[in-house]
Amino acid sequence: DAKTTQPPSMDCAEGRAANLPCNHSTISGNEYVYWYRQIHSQGPQYIIHGLKNNETNEMASLIITEDRKSSTLILPHATLRDTAVYYCIGGYSTLTFGKGTMLLVSP
Amino acid sequence: EAGVAQSPRYKIIEKRQSVAFWCNPISGHATLYWYQQILGQGPKLLIQFQNNGVVDDSQLPKDRFSAERLKGVDSTLKIQPAKLEDSAVYLCASSPSMRDNYEQYFGPGTRLTVT
Repeated sequence: DAKTTQPPSMDCAEGRAANLPCNHSTISGNEYVYWYRQIHSQGPQYIIHGLKNNETNEMASLIITEDRKSSTLILPHATLRDTAVYYCIGGYSTLTFGKGTMLLVSP
Repeated sequence: EAGVAQSPRYKIIEKRQSVAFWCNPISGHATLYWYQQILGQGPKLLIQFQNNGVVDDSQLPKDRFSAERLKGVDSTLKIQPAKLEDSAVYLCASSPSMRDNYEQYFGPGTRLTVT
């Protein structure tokens, strides 16, 4: 699995876009980029994944650089309920979680 | 659709005692995972089942941990004997198949405290 690097914490104002970066410079050609989040005292929740192209779903958008060495998860209009630890994972068939980014959305 | 069920939600035991956790995955999901999450860290995969067969147990401390998935549905994870460093949240997850495992569905976890 690819090693990923994320900032330990980020802040975002409610209603604004939250842009969470992830560095995965060692990712190989067939490894996906997955994003999960974990709200306090709950199990992780799948958000989105991608290989090369940018992806969007009802929860978020994933922007992957052309060289695939980094990506950004975008929550377009953050709410207080988006406060959570966000994990960026590079891999193929298994998930190796790091420490993630603690996103705090405040009023 | 019912989610992944786990029980108990909390357990406190003394070191050297044994403990068992139960997981009921989403109906029809062939792949089942057990993770260990120590406070302040991300979840760590302990074991992965495909139906009732073990796919990956490379990070399972086999001298004290065991897991089974009889009939390819429910699963139990056992620790015997427990150590202080086993204090953690034990998460169960399931996915429709190994090919579609990008979206794993996690249960609420069992918080184990070993004193």
